[in-house]
Amino acid sequence: QSALTQPASVSGSPGQSITISCTGTFSDVVHDDYVSWYQQHPGEAPKLIIYDVFNRPSGVSDRFSGSKSGNTASLTISGLLPEDEADYFCASYTSSITVDFGGGTKLTVL
Amino acid sequence: EVVLVESGGGLVQPGGSLRLSCAASGFPFGTYAMSWARQAPGKGLEWVSGISYNGYATYYTDSVKGRFTIYRDNSKNTLFLQMNSLRADDTAVYYCAKNPARALLPFDYWGRGTLVTVSS
Repeated sequence: QSALTQPASVSGSPGQSITISCTGTFSDVVHDDYVSWYQQHPGEAPKLIIYDVFNRPSGVSDRFSGSKSGNTASLTISGLLPEDEADYFCASYTSSITVDFGGGTKLTVL
Repeated sequence: EVVLVESGGGLVQPGGSLRLSCAASGFPFGTYAMSWARQAPGKGLEWVSGISYNGYATYYTDSVKGRFTIYRDNSKNTLFLQMNSLRADDTAVYYCAKNPARALLPFDYWGRGTLVTVSS
């Protein structure tokens, strides 16, 4: 059972913005600055889109942005495109120096 | 270009063993930490294990401690996962992922994965 909670699904229309939350269930999860986000299309490997809360790897669209407040990290996708339809996972360290993923959020672009 | 290619997956009976390999290229393998993550059919991602750049430090999720061993051969640019006492709930696609030099997050490159099926 993940210590990081994400909504099971979110949806939006093309051009809109959506936000996916990632909340730690323990006080020491998501307390640091190492939250990362991954995009996974069906049948494909995950792809890093945000690291260290708000940084984007080279080549990732600036429509993707990350933030954190308290125990909740957030991924915002602006100007939704059909190809943004995918599963999104957050990840962070746990207190025992291991890594946990959130349960994942399915984004549907209507 | 960073390329990670996993191999060694397959069908194994409960209680059996498998060794997964991950061949890395396109970066100085021996200077980066590496990890294994898995994804059961239709489920989310689960981090399994990580190893420091020099192999001296290893980390495991609780469910695989004592059954799985991660190790690396930096002379051959290869990461391994030895899996023993396999159970049905170990069935998943196993991904190899590259980490930063001195950390287990983020996973900045991923392989395409290899499927492990544990079934009688």
